[in-house]
Amino acid sequence: DTGVSQDPRHKITKRGQNVTFRCDPISEHNRLYWYRQTLGQGPEFLTYFQNEAQLEKSRLLSDRFSAERPKGSFSTLEIQRTEQGDSAMYLCASSLNGVTDTQYFGPGTRLTVL
Amino acid sequence: LAKTTQPISMDSYEGQEVNITCSHNNIATNDYITWYQQFPSQGPRFIIQGYKTKVTNEVASLFIPADRKSSTLSLPRVSLSDTAVYYCLVGDGVSGGYNKLIFGAGTRLAVHP
Repeated sequence: DTGVSQDPRHKITKRGQNVTFRCDPISEHNRLYWYRQTLGQGPEFLTYFQNEAQLEKSRLLSDRFSAERPKGSFSTLEIQRTEQGDSAMYLCASSLNGVTDTQYFGPGTRLTVL
Repeated sequence: LAKTTQPISMDSYEGQEVNITCSHNNIATNDYITWYQQFPSQGPRFIIQGYKTKVTNEVASLFIPADRKSSTLSLPRVSLSDTAVYYCLVGDGVSGGYNKLIFGAGTRLAVHP
Protein backbone atom coordinates (compact mmCIF):
# COMPACT_ATOMS: atom_id res chain seq x y z
CA ASP A 1 0.00 0.00 0.00
CA THR A 2 1.71 3.16 -1.20
CA GLY A 3 -0.86 5.66 -0.03
CA VAL A 4 -2.71 8.25 -2.06
CA SER A 5 -0.76 9.58 -5.02
CA GLN A 6 -1.35 12.70 -7.08
CA ASP A 7 0.03 13.81 -10.41
CA PRO A 8 1.49 16.23 -11.25
CA ARG A 9 2.90 17.64 -8.03
CA HIS A 10 3.28 21.08 -9.55
CA LYS A 11 1.58 22.75 -12.50
CA ILE A 12 2.20 26.22 -13.89
CA THR A 13 -0.18 27.42 -16.54
CA LYS A 14 -1.29 30.59 -18.22
CA ARG A 15 -4.68 32.10 -17.60
CA GLY A 16 -7.28 30.66 -19.91
CA GLN A 17 -5.64 27.27 -20.33
CA ASN A 18 -7.19 23.98 -19.25
CA VAL A 19 -5.50 21.74 -16.70
CA THR A 20 -6.18 18.22 -15.47
CA PHE A 21 -5.02 16.59 -12.26
CA ARG A 22 -5.02 12.92 -11.39
CA CYS A 23 -5.51 11.18 -8.05
CA ASP A 24 -4.90 7.50 -7.33
CA PRO A 25 -6.51 6.52 -4.02
CA ILE A 26 -5.41 3.79 -1.65
CA SER A 27 -6.46 0.52 -3.23
CA GLU A 28 -9.86 -0.73 -2.07
CA HIS A 29 -10.84 2.70 -0.74
CA ASN A 30 -14.25 3.34 -2.21
CA ARG A 31 -14.58 6.95 -1.08
CA LEU A 32 -12.63 9.75 -2.72
CA TYR A 33 -12.59 13.45 -1.91
CA TRP A 34 -11.13 16.55 -3.50
CA TYR A 35 -10.18 19.61 -1.44
CA ARG A 36 -8.60 22.95 -2.28
CA GLN A 37 -6.20 24.81 -0.02
CA THR A 38 -4.97 28.38 -0.37
CA LEU A 39 -2.02 29.83 1.50
CA GLY A 40 -2.56 30.14 5.23
CA GLN A 41 -5.95 28.44 5.18
CA GLY A 42 -7.17 24.96 5.95
CA PRO A 43 -8.34 22.72 3.11
CA GLU A 44 -11.85 23.33 1.73
CA PHE A 45 -14.10 20.55 0.49
CA LEU A 46 -14.77 20.47 -3.26
CA THR A 47 -16.41 17.18 -4.14
CA TYR A 48 -16.97 13.59 -3.07
CA PHE A 49 -17.20 10.23 -4.87
CA GLN A 50 -18.62 6.99 -3.60
CA ASN A 51 -17.13 4.49 -6.04
CA GLU A 52 -17.82 6.04 -9.45
CA ALA A 53 -20.75 8.18 -8.35
CA GLN A 54 -20.18 11.85 -7.63
CA LEU A 55 -22.51 12.45 -4.71
CA GLU A 56 -21.76 16.03 -3.69
CA LYS A 57 -20.23 19.13 -5.18
CA SER A 58 -19.38 22.25 -3.21
CA ARG A 59 -20.50 25.67 -4.36
CA LEU A 60 -16.78 26.36 -4.69
CA LEU A 61 -16.81 24.03 -7.69
CA SER A 62 -17.86 26.39 -10.48
CA ASP A 63 -18.95 25.28 -13.94
CA ARG A 64 -15.33 25.44 -15.05
CA PHE A 65 -14.49 22.55 -12.75
CA SER A 66 -15.33 18.94 -13.47
CA ALA A 67 -14.33 15.78 -11.70
CA GLU A 68 -14.66 12.17 -12.71
CA ARG A 69 -13.92 8.80 -11.24
CA PRO A 70 -14.40 6.22 -13.99
CA LYS A 71 -14.72 2.65 -12.77
CA GLY A 72 -14.42 3.83 -9.19
CA SER A 73 -10.64 3.81 -9.18
CA PHE A 74 -8.52 6.88 -9.99
CA SER A 75 -10.08 10.31 -10.26
CA THR A 76 -9.40 13.37 -12.39
CA LEU A 77 -10.12 17.01 -11.67
CA GLU A 78 -10.22 19.31 -14.67
CA ILE A 79 -10.26 23.08 -14.59
CA GLN A 80 -11.23 24.81 -17.82
CA ARG A 81 -10.28 28.39 -18.70
CA THR A 82 -8.13 28.78 -15.62
CA GLU A 83 -8.14 32.06 -13.70
CA GLN A 84 -5.53 33.47 -11.34
CA GLY A 85 -7.91 32.82 -8.46
CA ASP A 86 -7.64 29.11 -9.17
CA SER A 87 -4.04 29.13 -7.92
CA ALA A 88 -4.02 26.81 -4.93
CA MET A 89 -3.05 23.36 -3.68
CA TYR A 90 -5.49 20.71 -4.82
CA LEU A 91 -5.67 17.79 -2.42
CA CYS A 92 -7.15 14.37 -2.87
CA ALA A 93 -8.12 12.08 -0.01
CA SER A 94 -9.53 8.58 0.14
CA SER A 95 -11.24 6.50 2.78
CA LEU A 96 -12.72 3.09 3.33
CA ASN A 97 -16.43 3.11 3.97
CA GLY A 98 -16.54 2.72 7.71
CA VAL A 99 -17.86 4.14 10.91
CA THR A 100 -15.33 6.93 11.22
CA ASP A 101 -14.51 7.48 7.54
CA THR A 102 -10.88 8.34 8.30
CA GLN A 103 -9.47 10.14 5.29
CA TYR A 104 -5.92 9.80 4.05
CA PHE A 105 -4.55 12.60 1.96
CA GLY A 106 -2.23 12.66 -1.01
CA PRO A 107 0.69 15.09 -1.37
CA GLY A 108 -1.37 17.53 -3.40
CA THR A 109 -0.96 19.30 -6.73
CA ARG A 110 0.23 22.89 -6.53
CA LEU A 111 -1.37 24.96 -9.32
CA THR A 112 -0.02 28.36 -10.28
CA VAL A 113 -1.96 30.36 -12.84
CA LEU A 114 0.03 33.21 -14.37
CA LEU B 1 -17.87 27.06 9.64
CA ALA B 2 -15.45 24.81 11.48
CA LYS B 3 -17.00 23.17 14.52
CA THR B 4 -13.78 23.52 16.52
CA THR B 5 -11.67 26.26 18.13
CA GLN B 6 -7.96 25.90 18.75
CA PRO B 7 -5.04 28.28 19.44
CA ILE B 8 -3.64 29.94 16.36
CA SER B 9 -0.03 29.28 17.33
CA MET B 10 2.17 27.69 19.96
CA ASP B 11 5.89 27.62 20.65
CA SER B 12 7.90 24.88 22.30
CA TYR B 13 11.43 23.58 22.64
CA GLU B 14 12.96 20.30 21.67
CA GLY B 15 12.37 17.54 24.17
CA GLN B 16 9.32 19.13 25.76
CA GLU B 17 5.81 17.71 25.82
CA VAL B 18 3.32 19.77 23.85
CA ASN B 19 -0.40 19.81 24.57
CA ILE B 20 -2.77 21.42 22.07
CA THR B 21 -6.32 21.84 23.29
CA CYS B 22 -9.29 22.05 20.98
CA SER B 23 -12.78 23.22 21.93
CA HIS B 24 -15.84 21.67 20.31
CA ASN B 25 -18.74 22.78 22.48
CA ASN B 26 -21.39 21.68 20.00
CA ILE B 27 -20.04 18.21 19.35
CA ALA B 28 -22.79 15.79 18.41
CA THR B 29 -23.32 12.34 19.81
CA ASN B 30 -22.13 10.72 16.59
CA ASP B 31 -19.02 12.89 16.14
CA TYR B 32 -15.51 11.51 16.35
CA ILE B 33 -12.52 13.78 17.02
CA THR B 34 -9.67 13.62 14.54
CA TRP B 35 -6.30 15.36 14.42
CA TYR B 36 -4.19 15.95 11.35
CA GLN B 37 -0.65 17.30 10.96
CA GLN B 38 0.40 19.29 7.92
CA PHE B 39 3.85 20.35 6.76
CA PRO B 40 4.30 23.11 4.16
CA SER B 41 3.48 21.99 0.62
CA GLN B 42 2.25 18.57 1.76
CA GLY B 43 -1.15 17.05 2.31
CA PRO B 44 -2.54 16.67 5.85
CA ARG B 45 -1.34 13.56 7.62
CA PHE B 46 -3.69 11.63 9.91
CA ILE B 47 -2.35 11.55 13.48
CA ILE B 48 -5.00 10.18 15.80
CA GLN B 49 -8.72 9.78 16.26
CA GLY B 50 -10.96 9.14 19.24
CA TYR B 51 -14.47 9.20 20.60
CA LYS B 52 -14.02 9.35 24.38
CA THR B 53 -11.47 8.90 27.19
CA LYS B 54 -7.91 8.38 26.01
CA VAL B 55 -6.36 7.10 22.83
CA THR B 56 -2.65 6.52 22.34
CA ASN B 57 -0.62 5.50 19.34
CA GLU B 58 3.05 5.58 18.44
CA VAL B 59 2.90 9.26 17.59
CA ALA B 60 0.59 10.97 20.07
CA SER B 61 -2.07 10.71 22.73
CA LEU B 62 -5.56 12.13 22.63
CA PHE B 63 -7.35 12.99 25.83
CA ILE B 64 -11.12 13.49 25.74
CA PRO B 65 -13.03 14.40 28.92
CA ALA B 66 -16.37 12.88 29.75
CA ASP B 67 -18.40 15.81 28.38
CA ARG B 68 -16.46 15.65 25.08
CA LYS B 69 -16.63 19.42 24.68
CA SER B 70 -12.87 19.62 24.30
CA SER B 71 -9.92 17.40 23.51
CA THR B 72 -6.17 17.63 23.98
CA LEU B 73 -3.55 16.36 21.59
CA SER B 74 -0.37 15.48 23.44
CA LEU B 75 2.95 15.19 21.62
CA PRO B 76 5.67 13.69 23.82
CA ARG B 77 9.21 15.02 23.58
CA VAL B 78 8.84 17.10 20.43
CA SER B 79 11.65 17.58 17.96
CA LEU B 80 12.28 20.20 15.31
CA SER B 81 10.54 17.97 12.77
CA ASP B 82 7.26 18.35 14.66
CA THR B 83 7.06 21.97 13.53
CA ALA B 84 3.83 21.96 11.54
CA VAL B 85 0.18 22.99 11.51
CA TYR B 86 -2.12 20.79 13.57
CA TYR B 87 -5.82 20.58 12.75
CA CYS B 88 -8.57 19.37 15.09
CA LEU B 89 -11.77 18.24 13.39
CA VAL B 90 -15.02 16.67 14.47
CA GLY B 91 -17.02 14.71 11.99
CA ASP B 92 -20.16 12.72 11.72
CA GLY B 93 -19.28 9.23 10.69
CA VAL B 94 -21.62 7.07 12.65
CA SER B 95 -24.70 8.33 10.83
CA GLY B 96 -23.51 6.36 7.86
CA GLY B 97 -22.86 9.33 5.70
CA TYR B 98 -19.58 10.36 4.25
CA ASN B 99 -17.42 12.81 6.11
CA LYS B 100 -17.02 16.19 4.48
CA LEU B 101 -14.13 17.51 6.56
CA ILE B 102 -14.40 21.15 7.58
CA PHE B 103 -10.99 22.52 8.48
CA GLY B 104 -10.36 25.60 10.57
CA ALA B 105 -7.10 27.55 10.51
CA GLY B 106 -5.32 25.01 12.71
CA THR B 107 -2.57 25.55 15.29
CA ARG B 108 0.88 26.47 14.03
CA LEU B 109 3.38 24.75 16.30
CA ALA B 110 6.95 26.00 16.21
CA VAL B 111 9.58 23.86 17.93
CA HIS B 112 12.81 25.67 18.76
CA PRO B 113 16.25 24.18 19.44
